[in-house]
Amino acid sequence: QKEVEQNSGPLSVPEGAIASLNCTYSDRVSQSFFWYRQYSGKSPELIMSIYSNGDKEDGRFTAQLNKASQYVSLLIRDSQPSDSATYLCAVNPPGGNEKLTFGTGTRLTIIP
Amino acid sequence: EPEVTQTPSHQVTQMGQEVILRCVPISNHLYFYWYRQILGQKVEFLVSFYNNEISEKSEIFDDQFSVERPDGSNFTLKIRSTKLEDSAMYFCLWGTYNEQFFGPGTRLTVL
Repeated sequence: QKEVEQNSGPLSVPEGAIASLNCTYSDRVSQSFFWYRQYSGKSPELIMSIYSNGDKEDGRFTAQLNKASQYVSLLIRDSQPSDSATYLCAVNPPGGNEKLTFGTGTRLTIIP
Repeated sequence: EPEVTQTPSHQVTQMGQEVILRCVPISNHLYFYWYRQILGQKVEFLVSFYNNEISEKSEIFDDQFSVERPDGSNFTLKIRSTKLEDSAMYFCLWGTYNEQFFGPGTRLTVL
């Protein structure tokens, strides 16, 4: 059973600080990795995708991938109250398989 | 602006009844997916649909479920005989294996 694990939180971070969200996955040959943000009662919104080892930055968001450790993370710099949401990690295995496997999500609260 | 719309936004039904959930693409996409999220649980894959055919389905997607694109536009998920445990948010996704985007979802409540 392919699994994606996240700390469910809640994770509380002061406004302006860096929020760090972590995700591990069990399928070593996974190739595509995604972070979604889900506000309460809303559908998930894709905020980052990463395919290669290393860092990928987009505005205040940085995704980090380490395939050897089967670990992907999301850093949010200068956290804002509007960043308060549940962050879902999703993994896509190789071979053109479209199925995404999601983690349970980490609930992030930014404290003003 | 979402690339798909989903109707209805909320469906309440009695156990054993059939429901049809609809996904209407705004743009012309080839890949569509259905996922569901039971309250408080993780998002789960149901089925992927490429070029008007099912390309993969999960173990959840049993004989009670079916998908079709009846008019080449709307993309439907049918649950033939709903169970209490089918209560969930049902999301239509569009995109490719590189990126998948969620529609707004349909909340299904089975009583």
